[in-house]
Amino acid sequence: DAGVTQSPTHLIKTRGQQVTLRCSPKSGHDTVSWYQQALGQGPQFIFQYYEEEERQRGNFPDRFSGHQFPNYSSELNVNALLLGDSALYLCASSLVQGEAFFGQGTRLTVV
Amino acid sequence: RKEVEQDPGPFNVPEGATVAFNCTYSNSASQSFFWYRQDCRKEPKLLMSVYSSGNEDGRFTAQLNRASQYISLLIRDSKLSDSATYLCVVKRGSQGNLIFGKGTKLSVKP
Repeated sequence: DAGVTQSPTHLIKTRGQQVTLRCSPKSGHDTVSWYQQALGQGPQFIFQYYEEEERQRGNFPDRFSGHQFPNYSSELNVNALLLGDSALYLCASSLVQGEAFFGQGTRLTVV
Repeated sequence: RKEVEQDPGPFNVPEGATVAFNCTYSNSASQSFFWYRQDCRKEPKLLMSVYSSGNEDGRFTAQLNRASQYISLLIRDSKLSDSATYLCVVKRGSQGNLIFGKGTKLSVKP
């Protein structure tokens, strides 16, 4: 049984560009959450998707948007990249009230 | 003030030592509590949930004090493989998102 998978594992983007990160949840999980982890910090909640709707959102600007597909996979989009967006982006999947399992993350570097 | 605060660390201890991590949370509406472990450049993984009655899993003991809004993790007989960052996590509501502390780095030396 594959766990949570994220792609790509690493990428480098230039300031002002746009990026899309992808997440496939653990089999059977219907809820996907995205977190941003800056170097030396704990993960910070971006938003959560359930039944293709954004259910909760953390304190992130509108440049951060997402989507969940009917197969529960999800995308995180970031527009107008800033240097400060450089971080590890983590996807976590769960059942509605269950334990969250994290993917290995996408390491984004903005130059 | 951050919602979840942890000991700044790092903790450098010899093998076999007992080490304790402390954490406080500010929102009394928090309902679930966890310790996660994160190895260098890897994803966080659930170490254990934390209950008011206290819970133990082998060498690991977690404790929650709701009145003081305080969470602890005790590791006995430290192993080299315990070296990692330990993240204190709270969750508001059964469907709430996870709120992480900054993490405390533990290095166990031979």
